[in-house]
This record gives sequence, C-alpha cells and structure tokens, in this order.
Amino acid sequence: NAGVTQTPKFQVLKTGQSMTLQCAQDMNHEYMSWYRQDPGMGLRLIHYSVGAGITDQGEVPNGYNVSRSTTEDFPLRLLSAAPSQTSVYFCASSRADSSNQPQHFGDGTRLSIL
Amino acid sequence: AQRVTQPEKLLSVFKGAPVELKCNYSYSGSPELFWYVQYSRQRLQLLLRHISRESIKGFTADLNKGETSFHLKKPFAQEEDSAMYYCALSENSGGSNYKLTFGKGTLLTVNP
Repeated sequence: NAGVTQTPKFQVLKTGQSMTLQCAQDMNHEYMSWYRQDPGMGLRLIHYSVGAGITDQGEVPNGYNVSRSTTEDFPLRLLSAAPSQTSVYFCASSRADSSNQPQHFGDGTRLSIL
Repeated sequence: AQRVTQPEKLLSVFKGAPVELKCNYSYSGSPELFWYVQYSRQRLQLLLRHISRESIKGFTADLNKGETSFHLKKPFAQEEDSAMYYCALSENSGGSNYKLTFGKGTLLTVNP
C-alpha cells in the first residue's frame, strides 16, 4: 500500500492563480483531512471529510474548497491564490471506528505564492 | 474551544541526557491525546497515543488530567531523536479522530 499520496510535492504560483492539490489514499479510510503547516503555528485544520459526499470546514477554511466524490480522493482547491497561502499542506486519513485510530499523513505539498 | 500548548519552541540536550517535551491542553470533554514526530524531510508520523499507554522508541507520555498535561519523556536521549515533535488533541472521542488540534511544535536537537 502506498498510504496517503500527495501531488505535487512542490508548486510555485502567482497571486490570483488557481490550482488543485491532490490527495489519494489506498487504505479505504473513511476520514480525510487537510492541514497547513506554518513556522511557529504548528498544523491547522483547513477542511475535513467523514465520508464520500460529506465535507466540513476546519479552523482556517477561507480561500479553499474541497470535495469528496470518492472514498480514495480528497482534492484541495485554491480558488485565487494569495501570498498568505504560502505554506506546506498535509493531507491525512484515518479509519472510522470506536478505537480512535490515528491519522496517517502524506509527504506534504510545499506551495509558494508569489 | 480546545487548545494545545507546547511552551518550548526549541529544546537542546546532550546525548544520554533525559528529555521532557511539555504539552498542556484545554478541553471541556474527555481528551484523546497524541504525540506526532516529524524527522527531517519525512512525513509526520504517530509516536504515541495516550490510550495505548505504550513506550515507543523509549518515549513515554502520561496523561495527567489534574494538571491537563501530556508531557513526553525519555530517560536517555539519542541523536536520532532529533526532530520536530507535535502534541495533538482529538476533538471528539470514540472514533472521530479526523479533527486534530495541534500544538505549535517543539524542535528537539540532541547533541553528540
């Protein structure tokens, strides 16, 4: 199993451009989440999904859209990139059961907005 | 709202010395707490979860509800322990581990 796969690994955008960060998992996990990691801020939750067709906002959702059409994929869309969105983005997935399984993280996408 | 505080941004110790990474939390319900580690150029990975009460790579962490703390400890630090450590809290218990609240992280450096 590849686990959680994120593409691209690096991306540079100009202000105002749009793009989609891809996230796929092959563990049949119900839960998927997107975080951004900024120096001195830790990781902050952007959006999450508890299953196909269900998404919700996290702590810092503004400027981002998500959709979950399949269990495997959870893309994150930047609608109009801003320099404040320069960050490292992590996708994570976890199984839905009562034992509160930990999240599995991808390698991250390092995004720079000029 | 829940909050996780890691008071030390940086922690530097010598090889063989004890290490303690502090984590305090605020949460109105019953917390699920985790320690994640990120080694250089690697993905974030789970180190410990409090409900498992296990020791991983020599690290232990005890949940102290009275002090609302979940400090990470290791009696003898190794150079390979150098990494960024994040304490995290799960907002809901009982199978809803999709919303983690992270602390800001502590960068541990173990010097030879």
